[in-house]
Order: sequence, then C-alpha cells, then structure tokens
Amino acid sequence: GAGVSQTPSNKVTEKGKYVELRCDPISGHTALYWYRQSLGQGPEFLIYFQGTGAADDSGLPNDRFFAVRPEGSVSTLKIQRTERGDSAVYLCASSLLHNYNEQFFGPGTRLTVL
Amino acid sequence: KNEVEQSPQNLTAQEGEFITINCSYSVGISALHWLQQHPGGGIVSLFMLSSGKKKHGRLIATINIQEKHSSLHITASHPRDSAVYICAVREPGTASKLTFGTGTRLQVTL
Repeated sequence: GAGVSQTPSNKVTEKGKYVELRCDPISGHTALYWYRQSLGQGPEFLIYFQGTGAADDSGLPNDRFFAVRPEGSVSTLKIQRTERGDSAVYLCASSLLHNYNEQFFGPGTRLTVL
Repeated sequence: KNEVEQSPQNLTAQEGEFITINCSYSVGISALHWLQQHPGGGIVSLFMLSSGKKKHGRLIATINIQEKHSSLHITASHPRDSAVYICAVREPGTASKLTFGTGTRLQVTL
C-alpha cells in the first residue's frame, strides 16, 4: 500500500499569513506524529495523535500552532500568523499503534516564510 | 530532557570501508531508533532496539543500556549509503515522543 504522504511538498508564504499542512498516514495506522526539522538539525517533536485525540502536544512551540485529526486518519497542522522562524521542513509519521512500533515517515513539507 | 549526541558529525569514507556511527544519550530510555535521511528529506527507519544487537543486510545496530550508548555499523560501504544517519530515543512513560540527535552526514566515495 501507499506510504505516508504530505501536501504540499513546498509552501512559500509571507510573514503573518496562515498555512495548513496536510498529512495522510498509512491506512490503519492509529498513531500519527508531527515533527519539525530546521536546517542542519535533527527533527523535533511537535504533537502526537492516538486516533482522533492529541495524546501529547507538549512539543508545539506556542499557541500559533494547532493540529487536528477529526476522523482519526488525515491530520492537518495549522500555523497562524507565520513568522520567519517557522521556516523548516515539517515531517509527519505514522505507526500501527504507539510506543513500541516503528514509525513510517512522510517526505515532509518544506515551509518557507518570507 | 534527554540529550542525544552523535559522533562524528560528518564522515567521509571510501567504498568498501567499515563505518561506525555513535550515539550517546543522557537519560534512561525504552527504545532507540536509527533512521536514514536522504537528500530531499525522506526518512527511513532502519532499526528500533531496546537491547542487544540487530542486523539487517550490511547494517548492524548495537546498544549498551548501562553505558547509554548505541552504535550503527555499515559493512562494505557503498556510495548509495551516503545519507544522514539519525539516532532517536524514546524515554519510558512518554508513550510517543522521540528525541533526535542532530545526525551524522556520511559520504561514501568510489
């Protein structure tokens, strides 16, 4: 079957604008993760969903960042009032359950805030 | 918070060489992952381990829980192994959150 997909692959926006990034996990995977990777750094955890609920959102940097997964499959990461420091690659991963299962990563969305 | 350090940061090797990448962490963990990231960003999970040793093809991963240290070995390296290798750890009780190292950039030349 298909792997994790993310859209768009690239997003360029202006400072202050609102953006939405989408993640389609592998079918049947109940756990979904969002990470952010700045240039030259390892990924940084943002939020984890188990089913429809956010089980751990401790990595979200501030209240401009929000994520939803209303039907327990597709997830959207929403960033309000974007800032230049939000520029990064946003990675999504899914796993069959959580904790002891391998995570499968999507190709990422490269966000550039001008 | 767990501090994850990898060494070396950059590594250049000739085809056929045996390669070792190291990962150290500061706090007890429930699992450690080795990931491979190719140019363009795609990340592939190589290993997930909590003890001992795992082998897949030319790749071997070991972990020493007492010393809080893991190594990734590549035997008979090949230019297609060129990528960034990332170590990530999960702490007990966190259920989900991975803490990543900054990665080791490997370049294998002919």
